[in-house]
Amino acid sequence: GQNIDQPTEMTATEGAIVQINCTYQTSGFNGLFWYQQHAGEAPTFLSYNVLDGLEEKGRFSSFLSRSKGYSYLLLKELQMKDSASYLCAVLDSNYQLIWGAGTKLIIKP
Amino acid sequence: TAGITQAPTSQILAAGRSMTLRCTQDMRHNAMYWYRQDLGLGLRLIHYSNTAGTTGKGEVPDGYSVSRANTDDFPLTLASAVPSQTSVYFCASSDSGGDSGANVLTFGAGSRLTVL
Repeated sequence: GQNIDQPTEMTATEGAIVQINCTYQTSGFNGLFWYQQHAGEAPTFLSYNVLDGLEEKGRFSSFLSRSKGYSYLLLKELQMKDSASYLCAVLDSNYQLIWGAGTKLIIKP
Repeated sequence: TAGITQAPTSQILAAGRSMTLRCTQDMRHNAMYWYRQDLGLGLRLIHYSNTAGTTGKGEVPDGYSVSRANTDDFPLTLASAVPSQTSVYFCASSDSGGDSGANVLTFGAGSRLTVL
C-alpha cells in the first residue's frame, strides 16, 4: 500500500528552527508538496519538490531525497503565526495525491 | 477576492437525508476536487473533475456523487447521509489536472458536516 509518515505533533520555541520530516512509500513519484493549514482553515501551498535537493523560500525550505523516500520542511526564525499543521503529500505514478495526516506544530514563546 | 467559495460553512443533518455541498471557483481552473478531512487521517479524495463535463472517482467515492456542468461549479451530493460521513469537506481546484506534476491546489474554506 501507499504510505506517508509524519510526526503527529512537534513543539518549538519562537525564534528557533524546526525540521518536520516526511517519509513516503508510494507507487511511483511525480513530486512532493508541503501545505500549511491553520486550525479551522483551508490548506495553503508552501512548496513543491520533484528533484533531489533543497528549495529555499524565505524562512521556509524544503528538502527531497528520492532514493531515501524522504523529505523535510525546515522553518527558521519561528513566529507564533507558524503554529499550524503541516501536510506532506506525494504525487504518485498515476498523478494522484497521497496525503500524510499532517504534523501539528506548536510554537511556544 | 478570487478563489473558491463553499457553502454551507457548517451543517447538521439527520441520517437518511440528502445534502448538496456547493463549490464555486472564479479562477477558471480546469480541475476541481472534493476531499474529506478526518482527525488523524490525511486528506482523502472523494471525486474529481479534470475538466468541465467529466468526473472521476477518488479514494472514497461511495455515498457521494458529483457533477461538473460548467467550469466554475462542482457540487457534491450525499444522497442518503450516514453518521460516518461526518467530516470536514474541502473543495479544491488547480489550473491543470491529470498528468501534470506541479499541480498546486487552491482550497476552499471547508464545509463542516455533522450527520446524526
